[in-house]
Amino acid sequence: KQEVTQIPAALSVPEGENLVLNCSFTDSAIYNLQWFRQDPGKGLTSLLLIQSSQREQTSGRLNASLDKSSGRSTLYIAASQPGDSATYLCAVCSGGSYIPTFGRGTSLIVHP
Amino acid sequence: GAVVSQHPSRVICKSGTSVKIECRSLDFQATTMFWYRQFPKKSLMLMATSNEGSKATYEQGVEKDKFLINHASLTLSTLTVTSAHPEDSSFYICSARDQLKGGNTEAFFGQGTRLTVV
Repeated sequence: KQEVTQIPAALSVPEGENLVLNCSFTDSAIYNLQWFRQDPGKGLTSLLLIQSSQREQTSGRLNASLDKSSGRSTLYIAASQPGDSATYLCAVCSGGSYIPTFGRGTSLIVHP
Repeated sequence: GAVVSQHPSRVICKSGTSVKIECRSLDFQATTMFWYRQFPKKSLMLMATSNEGSKATYEQGVEKDKFLINHASLTLSTLTVTSAHPEDSSFYICSARDQLKGGNTEAFFGQGTRLTVV
C-alpha cells in the first residue's frame, strides 16, 4: 500500500525566502505525482503534475522535482510571498485504478 | 484546464437527516470519480471510487449504507450522507480525470463541501 509523507508539517518564514517542501513515498511504481495548494476551507488547486518519466516541472516561481528511484519529490518556492500562505499537498498516483494517495500536507505561513 | 464543480460548498443539517453532495465534470467525461473525506489537520482519505453505471467501490471501514454513491452519467456523481450524525461533520471533496486523456493524467478536484451536522 502506498504511503506518502510530507515534511515539514508546518513552516513559517519571512517574505522573500526560498523554500523547499518535501514529499516521500514508499512505492516507487508510480504513474505521476501532483502538488496541490489548499486554502483554508477550500478545495484543492493543482499546481504541478510530474509524470513518472519526468524529473521536474516548473510554473512561475514553483519548481517540482521527482526522484522516483528514491521515492522523493520536492517543491521549491522561490521568493516567497504572503499570498503563498496555504497548505501544500503532495499526491502520488499509483496502482491499477490510478487513485491519488495524499500526504498530510505542509502548512505554510509567509509573513510580511 | 478541466473543471470539476461540487455543490453545495457548505451545508448545515440536523442530526438524522440526509444530505446529497453533487460532483460534476463540466467539460470532460469521467467514467470514474473519487470521493475523499478530510478531517482537520489530516490528509485526504479516499472513501470510495465511483464508477459510471455500476456500483461504487468503497474503501475498508467506509459504510456503504451510510455514504450512498450514485454515478448515473459520465459527468455526474453524487454522495448522499444518510441519517447524518455530528461525527459525519467533515470536509468532503470529489475528484475526476478526463478519461479520454488516459487514467494517469492530471486529477482535478472540486471545491469541497463543508458538512456540519448539528
